[in-house]
Amino acid sequence: ETGVTQTPRHLVMGMTNKKSLKCEQHLGHNAMYWYKQSAKKPLELMFVYNFKEQTENNSVPSRFSPECPNSSHLFLHLHTLQPEDSALYLCASSQSRANSPLHFGNGTRLTVT
Amino acid sequence: QKEVEQNSGPLSVPEGAIASLNCTYSDRGSQSFFWYRQYSGKSPELIMSIYSNGDKEDGRFTAQLNKASQYVSLLIRDSQPSDSATYLCAADTGANSKLTFGKGITLSVRP
Repeated sequence: ETGVTQTPRHLVMGMTNKKSLKCEQHLGHNAMYWYKQSAKKPLELMFVYNFKEQTENNSVPSRFSPECPNSSHLFLHLHTLQPEDSALYLCASSQSRANSPLHFGNGTRLTVT
Repeated sequence: QKEVEQNSGPLSVPEGAIASLNCTYSDRGSQSFFWYRQYSGKSPELIMSIYSNGDKEDGRFTAQLNKASQYVSLLIRDSQPSDSATYLCAADTGANSKLTFGKGITLSVRP
């Protein structure tokens, strides 16, 4: 399997549920990212991990909790979300150096009811 | 606030025409610039990167960068219906490949 793989592709959850999004990259990259994409808004960077260490938390509410056990895997744990958190959540990876482009996964379409 | 601005669009061109997509950025320290294409319901896909002033050509795509004017553009020659998508401009705005994205512009190529 190649590229960046995200699961699940679609997720519907209630506001009291706990769920997790999973991302795996097979590109040998050492940086991984979570982005949120909402309608009519730019992609919003949420978290950045370099060599498993979190290097960026873009003022994300604590109901989103990232986990990066190694350079190939990234999780986003979700709990007590709000309807406005409904969006496309994109995982990406890159080499951890300047000029490196991001490679995106297919995303998880999240709906919070 | 470091920003990347794109015209809101949508942009509609006839098949075979040149589509011109424009982008400006606010961070003078940005060194790397990228164009991503995103089909409806899909994830962004990298189509061009540019790091130096001037033009960079790849097939029907040409990226142009003018750092003095803080301006990046993407030209698509001989536009095809399959080019219909949303195009996202991105610039690096910090260390570790942190990218800031524009809102994107939707291109429609009419057969």
